[in-house]
Amino acid sequence: ETGVTQSPTHLIKTRGQQVTLRCSSQSGHNTVSWYQQALGQGPQFIFQYYREEENGRGNFPPRFSGLQFPNYSSELNVNALELDDSALYLCASSAVVNTEAFFGQGTRLTVV
Amino acid sequence: GENVEQHPSTLSVQEGDSAVIKCTYSDSASNYFPWYKQELGKGPQLIIDIRSNVGEKKDQRIAVTLNKTAKHFSLHITETQPEDSAVYFCAASRGDYKLSFGAGTTVTVRA
Repeated sequence: ETGVTQSPTHLIKTRGQQVTLRCSSQSGHNTVSWYQQALGQGPQFIFQYYREEENGRGNFPPRFSGLQFPNYSSELNVNALELDDSALYLCASSAVVNTEAFFGQGTRLTVV
Repeated sequence: GENVEQHPSTLSVQEGDSAVIKCTYSDSASNYFPWYKQELGKGPQLIIDIRSNVGEKKDQRIAVTLNKTAKHFSLHITETQPEDSAVYFCAASRGDYKLSFGAGTTVTVRA
């Protein structure tokens, strides 16, 4: 059974650019959630996808968007990057029956 | 929305001693409370969780207690070892697994 994998591991972008981060969920998991973790803080919930539909969103602007694919992998897209978007972006997957959330190693995004 | 407060922010213990981290939550509808350990450069790792129908849960050296009336829960690590050094996060959710996290506790175990 493979765990949650994210790509890329590190990324540097310029303010105003767009970025796409990718997540492969753990085998058998159909729910993916994305979190933003600023340095020295706890993760903040961005949104959750269940069976390819958005299933709840945290306090993030519309320039944060996502997708979930039929194989339950997911993308996080951020448009018009701002310096404050610099953070570790974490993906977590969970299953309907076994409901614990398991995190990937994260993507470290730096906006300059 | 849910607000989770975590204390202390840093904790230094002698190897072999116990460590206790406390969290409070605001949403009385929260019913799932996991604890995560995060090592440098890695994602959070689930170490133990508790649901609102249980008051205490133990797994080897780790235990979690929940007081629903007071809306607080705690992590207890006994016989601490150097490999327990990490940042620990508590979280709460309504069971939809949209987790609200505390700010974290940096635990240092001194040899």
